[in-house]
Amino acid sequence: GQSLEQPSEVTAVEGAIVQINCTYQTSGFYGLSWYQQHDGGAPTFLSYNALDGLEETGRFSSFLSRSDSYGYLLLQELQMKDSASYFCAVRPYGGATNKLIFGTGTLLAVQP
Amino acid sequence: ETGVTQSPTHLIKTRGQQVTLRCSSQSGHNTVSWYQQALGQGPQFIFQYYREEENGRGNFPPRFSGLQFPNYSSELNVNALELDDSALYLCASSQRGPNPEAFFGQGTRLTVV
Repeated sequence: GQSLEQPSEVTAVEGAIVQINCTYQTSGFYGLSWYQQHDGGAPTFLSYNALDGLEETGRFSSFLSRSDSYGYLLLQELQMKDSASYFCAVRPYGGATNKLIFGTGTLLAVQP
Repeated sequence: ETGVTQSPTHLIKTRGQQVTLRCSSQSGHNTVSWYQQALGQGPQFIFQYYREEENGRGNFPPRFSGLQFPNYSSELNVNALELDDSALYLCASSQRGPNPEAFFGQGTRLTVV
C-alpha cells in the first residue's frame, strides 16, 4: 500500500519559520505536491517537487528526498492567514493518470 | 477562485437514500477526479474521469458511481447511503499530463442521518 504520514498539529508564532514534514511509503510516484486547506474549504495547490531538492515559491519552499522517503514544506514569515491544514500528496505510477494520494494532514496554528 | 464549482454546498440525506453531486470543471481541463474527505483526514480518491470514461478508481464500492459529460462537467452518484458516507466530497479538475496541479472545488458537505 501507499501511505504518507504527517504530524497532526504544529503551532508557531507570527513572523516565524515552520517546517511540516511528510514521510511516505509508496512504490513509486511522479512527484510530491503540497496543498493548503482552510477550514474544510477547497484545497489549493502550493508546491511540487518532481526531483530531489528544494523548490521555492515566495514564502513557501518544498523539499524532497526520494532516497530518504521524506519531504517537507517550509513556511517563512508566518502570517495569521497561514493558519490552515496542509497536506502532502503524491501522484503514483500506474492507474489513473492524475490521481493524488494525500497524507494525513497537518493543522498549523499561527499565534500572534 | 479555481473556476471549479460544486453543487449543492450542503446536503442532508437519510440512510438508504441516493444522492447526486455535481461539478463544473475549470475551462480547458479534460480530467475530473472525485475525493471523499472525512473530518480531520486527508482526501481519499474515489475515481477519475477522462473524456467521459472512468480511468481509475480508489477503494470504494460500486454504489459510488459517476459520469462525465462532453463539456467535462461531472456527477458523483452514491446509492444506498450509509452513515459513514457523511463527509466532504471534493471535485478536482486538471489537464491530463505532466502538470501536477489539481484545482479543487469548495466541496459538498454531505450528512447522512
